[in-house]
Amino acid sequence: GAVVSQHPSRVICKSGTSVKIECRSLDFQATTMFWYRQFPKQSLMLMATSNEGSKATYEQGVEKDKFLINHASLTLSTLTVTSAHPEDSSFYICSARPDRVERNPWADTQYFGPGTRLTVL
Amino acid sequence: GQQLNQSPQSMFIQEGEDVSMNCTSSSIFNTWLWYKQEPGEGPVLLIALYKAGELTSNGRLTAQFGITRKDSFLNISASIPSDVGIYFCAGHTGGGNKLTFGTGTQLKVEL
Repeated sequence: GAVVSQHPSRVICKSGTSVKIECRSLDFQATTMFWYRQFPKQSLMLMATSNEGSKATYEQGVEKDKFLINHASLTLSTLTVTSAHPEDSSFYICSARPDRVERNPWADTQYFGPGTRLTVL
Repeated sequence: GQQLNQSPQSMFIQEGEDVSMNCTSSSIFNTWLWYKQEPGEGPVLLIALYKAGELTSNGRLTAQFGITRKDSFLNISASIPSDVGIYFCAGHTGGGNKLTFGTGTQLKVEL
Protein backbone atom coordinates (compact mmCIF):
# COMPACT_ATOMS: atom_id res chain seq x y z
CA GLY A 1 0.00 0.00 0.00
CA ALA A 2 0.78 3.74 -0.01
CA VAL A 3 1.96 3.87 -3.62
CA VAL A 4 2.54 7.15 -5.41
CA SER A 5 3.09 7.38 -9.16
CA GLN A 6 4.42 10.17 -11.34
CA HIS A 7 4.05 10.75 -15.03
CA PRO A 8 6.06 11.19 -17.12
CA SER A 9 9.20 9.68 -15.65
CA ARG A 10 11.34 11.57 -18.10
CA VAL A 11 10.71 14.55 -20.35
CA ILE A 12 12.86 16.57 -22.70
CA CYS A 13 11.48 19.83 -24.02
CA LYS A 14 12.56 22.95 -25.83
CA SER A 15 13.15 26.20 -24.04
CA GLY A 16 9.99 28.27 -23.79
CA THR A 17 7.54 25.39 -23.72
CA SER A 18 5.44 24.28 -20.77
CA VAL A 19 5.59 20.86 -19.17
CA LYS A 20 2.99 19.20 -16.97
CA ILE A 21 3.90 16.55 -14.41
CA GLU A 22 1.24 14.41 -12.74
CA CYS A 23 1.39 12.93 -9.26
CA ARG A 24 -1.13 10.29 -8.24
CA SER A 25 -1.76 8.43 -5.02
CA LEU A 26 -2.81 5.02 -6.27
CA ASP A 27 -4.35 3.34 -3.25
CA PHE A 28 -5.12 6.14 -0.82
CA GLN A 29 -6.54 9.62 -0.68
CA ALA A 30 -4.35 12.59 0.04
CA THR A 31 -5.67 16.04 0.71
CA THR A 32 -2.09 17.22 0.95
CA MET A 33 0.67 16.53 -1.52
CA PHE A 34 4.10 18.08 -1.83
CA TRP A 35 6.41 18.98 -4.70
CA TYR A 36 10.17 18.81 -4.33
CA ARG A 37 13.08 19.60 -6.57
CA GLN A 38 16.41 17.82 -6.42
CA PHE A 39 19.64 18.78 -8.17
CA PRO A 40 22.38 16.19 -8.76
CA LYS A 41 24.09 15.04 -5.59
CA GLN A 42 21.95 17.35 -3.48
CA SER A 43 19.10 16.94 -1.06
CA LEU A 44 15.41 17.43 -1.71
CA MET A 45 14.16 20.99 -1.54
CA LEU A 46 10.48 21.59 -0.91
CA MET A 47 8.93 23.80 -3.57
CA ALA A 48 5.29 23.89 -2.54
CA THR A 49 2.52 22.22 -0.60
CA SER A 50 -0.44 21.23 -2.73
CA ASN A 51 -3.86 21.30 -1.07
CA GLU A 52 -6.95 19.76 -2.59
CA GLY A 53 -9.64 22.38 -2.96
CA SER A 54 -7.44 25.36 -2.22
CA LYS A 55 -4.41 27.21 -3.47
CA ALA A 56 -0.97 25.75 -3.13
CA THR A 57 1.43 27.15 -0.59
CA TYR A 58 4.80 28.01 -2.09
CA GLU A 59 8.13 28.10 -0.33
CA GLN A 60 10.11 31.29 -0.26
CA GLY A 61 11.89 31.92 -3.53
CA VAL A 62 9.65 29.66 -5.61
CA GLU A 63 7.77 31.53 -8.34
CA LYS A 64 4.12 30.54 -8.22
CA ASP A 65 3.46 31.83 -11.73
CA LYS A 66 6.22 29.69 -13.11
CA PHE A 67 5.41 26.51 -11.22
CA LEU A 68 1.65 26.13 -11.41
CA ILE A 69 0.11 23.57 -9.09
CA ASN A 70 -3.38 22.15 -9.36
CA HIS A 71 -4.70 19.63 -6.87
CA ALA A 72 -7.73 18.50 -8.84
CA SER A 73 -8.83 15.60 -6.68
CA LEU A 74 -7.89 13.67 -3.56
CA THR A 75 -5.61 11.46 -5.64
CA LEU A 76 -4.11 13.83 -8.21
CA SER A 77 -1.85 16.87 -8.13
CA THR A 78 -0.17 18.38 -11.16
CA LEU A 79 2.85 20.63 -11.48
CA THR A 80 3.20 22.69 -14.65
CA VAL A 81 6.53 24.27 -15.39
CA THR A 82 5.64 27.22 -17.58
CA SER A 83 8.00 28.70 -20.16
CA ALA A 84 10.71 26.28 -19.16
CA HIS A 85 14.36 27.25 -19.44
CA PRO A 86 17.54 25.17 -19.15
CA GLU A 87 17.98 26.23 -15.51
CA ASP A 88 14.66 24.50 -14.75
CA SER A 89 16.21 21.17 -15.66
CA SER A 90 16.07 19.05 -12.55
CA PHE A 91 14.58 15.99 -10.87
CA TYR A 92 11.07 16.78 -9.65
CA ILE A 93 9.60 14.53 -6.96
CA CYS A 94 6.15 14.58 -5.45
CA SER A 95 4.96 13.07 -2.20
CA ALA A 96 1.59 12.44 -0.63
CA ARG A 97 0.44 12.20 2.95
CA PRO A 98 -2.40 9.69 3.43
CA ASP A 99 -5.54 11.19 4.91
CA ARG A 100 -6.64 8.11 6.79
CA VAL A 101 -4.57 6.89 9.72
CA GLU A 102 -5.16 3.22 8.98
CA ARG A 103 -3.56 3.68 5.57
CA ASN A 104 -0.61 5.39 7.11
CA PRO A 105 0.97 2.96 9.53
CA TRP A 106 3.58 5.52 10.26
CA ALA A 107 1.70 8.69 11.03
CA ASP A 108 2.83 12.10 9.83
CA THR A 109 4.86 10.61 7.02
CA GLN A 110 4.98 11.20 3.32
CA TYR A 111 5.22 8.63 0.56
CA PHE A 112 7.20 9.65 -2.47
CA GLY A 113 6.71 9.16 -6.17
CA PRO A 114 9.53 7.85 -8.38
CA GLY A 115 10.37 11.31 -9.69
CA THR A 116 10.37 13.04 -13.08
CA ARG A 117 13.59 13.97 -14.83
CA LEU A 118 13.07 17.23 -16.73
CA THR A 119 15.63 18.33 -19.30
CA VAL A 120 15.12 21.66 -21.02
CA LEU A 121 17.17 22.18 -24.15
CA GLY B 1 15.76 28.36 8.22
CA GLN B 2 16.03 24.89 9.68
CA GLN B 3 18.91 22.76 8.53
CA LEU B 4 19.70 19.12 9.06
CA ASN B 5 23.32 18.13 8.78
CA GLN B 6 24.22 14.52 8.14
CA SER B 7 27.51 12.81 8.67
CA PRO B 8 29.39 11.28 7.18
CA GLN B 9 28.73 12.74 3.75
CA SER B 10 29.73 9.44 2.19
CA MET B 11 31.14 6.13 3.28
CA PHE B 12 32.68 3.16 1.57
CA ILE B 13 32.46 -0.03 3.59
CA GLN B 14 32.91 -3.73 3.12
CA GLU B 15 30.06 -6.18 2.90
CA GLY B 16 29.17 -7.51 6.31
CA GLU B 17 30.27 -4.44 8.22
CA ASP B 18 27.96 -2.41 10.42
CA VAL B 19 27.22 1.17 9.38
CA SER B 20 26.33 4.17 11.47
CA MET B 21 25.28 7.62 10.32
CA ASN B 22 23.77 10.55 12.13
CA CYS B 23 21.77 13.67 11.67
CA THR B 24 21.84 16.85 13.71
CA SER B 25 19.63 19.87 13.72
CA SER B 26 19.88 23.43 14.89
CA SER B 27 16.30 23.24 16.10
CA ILE B 28 13.87 20.77 17.63
CA PHE B 29 11.80 18.34 15.60
CA ASN B 30 8.81 16.32 16.77
CA THR B 31 9.23 13.54 14.22
CA TRP B 32 12.34 12.08 12.64
CA LEU B 33 12.22 10.00 9.50
CA TRP B 34 14.88 8.06 7.64
CA TYR B 35 14.60 7.54 3.88
CA LYS B 36 16.74 5.73 1.32
CA GLN B 37 17.04 6.97 -2.24
CA GLU B 38 18.51 5.03 -5.13
CA PRO B 39 19.63 6.70 -8.38
CA GLY B 40 16.76 8.00 -10.46
CA GLU B 41 14.16 7.04 -7.87
CA GLY B 42 12.14 8.77 -5.18
CA PRO B 43 12.98 8.31 -1.49
CA VAL B 44 11.62 5.25 0.27
CA LEU B 45 10.67 5.44 3.94
CA LEU B 46 12.74 3.19 6.20
CA ILE B 47 11.93 4.18 9.76
CA ALA B 48 9.84 6.80 11.55
CA LEU B 49 10.48 8.04 15.09
CA TYR B 50 8.00 9.98 17.21
CA LYS B 51 9.29 10.26 20.76
CA ALA B 52 12.52 11.58 22.22
CA GLY B 53 14.70 8.64 23.19
CA GLU B 54 12.72 6.20 21.02
CA LEU B 55 14.71 3.34 19.53
CA THR B 56 13.09 1.57 16.58
CA SER B 57 14.20 -1.31 14.38
CA ASN B 58 13.21 -2.41 10.91
CA GLY B 59 15.07 -5.57 9.98
CA ARG B 60 18.77 -4.79 9.94
CA LEU B 61 18.07 -1.10 10.48
CA THR B 62 17.92 0.60 13.85
CA ALA B 63 17.29 4.28 14.44
CA GLN B 64 17.04 6.43 17.53
CA PHE B 65 15.41 9.77 18.23
CA GLY B 66 17.80 11.83 20.34
CA ILE B 67 16.82 12.95 23.82
CA THR B 68 17.30 16.62 22.92
CA ARG B 69 15.07 16.13 19.83
CA LYS B 70 17.82 17.71 17.78
CA ASP B 71 19.50 14.57 16.52
CA SER B 72 18.99 11.04 15.31
CA PHE B 73 21.16 8.16 14.20
CA LEU B 74 20.66 5.25 11.85
CA ASN B 75 22.54 1.97 12.11
CA ILE B 76 22.66 -0.74 9.48
CA SER B 77 23.96 -4.10 10.63
CA ALA B 78 25.75 -6.61 8.43
CA SER B 79 25.63 -4.48 5.29
CA ILE B 80 24.94 -6.08 1.93
CA PRO B 81 25.48 -4.75 -1.61
CA SER B 82 21.85 -3.72 -2.03
CA ASP B 83 22.25 -1.28 0.87
CA VAL B 84 24.00 1.13 -1.50
CA GLY B 85 22.22 4.41 -1.98
CA ILE B 86 21.78 7.77 -0.36
CA TYR B 87 20.24 7.89 3.08
CA PHE B 88 18.38 11.00 4.11
CA CYS B 89 17.10 11.99 7.48
CA ALA B 90 14.07 14.23 7.57
CA GLY B 91 12.17 15.92 10.31
CA HIS B 92 9.12 17.93 10.88
CA THR B 93 7.69 19.93 13.70
CA GLY B 94 4.17 18.63 13.28
CA GLY B 95 1.08 20.55 12.32
CA GLY B 96 2.50 22.07 9.19
CA ASN B 97 3.35 18.68 7.67
CA LYS B 98 6.40 20.06 5.90
CA LEU B 99 9.49 17.91 5.95
CA THR B 100 13.01 19.28 6.18
CA PHE B 101 15.56 16.95 4.60
CA GLY B 102 19.11 16.36 5.67
CA THR B 103 22.12 16.68 3.41
CA GLY B 104 22.32 12.93 2.81
CA THR B 105 24.85 10.16 3.41
CA GLN B 106 25.95 8.18 0.40
CA LEU B 107 26.70 4.56 1.18
CA LYS B 108 28.82 2.36 -1.04
CA VAL B 109 29.35 -1.27 -0.20
CA GLU B 110 32.37 -3.20 -1.38
CA LEU B 111 32.02 -6.90 -1.96
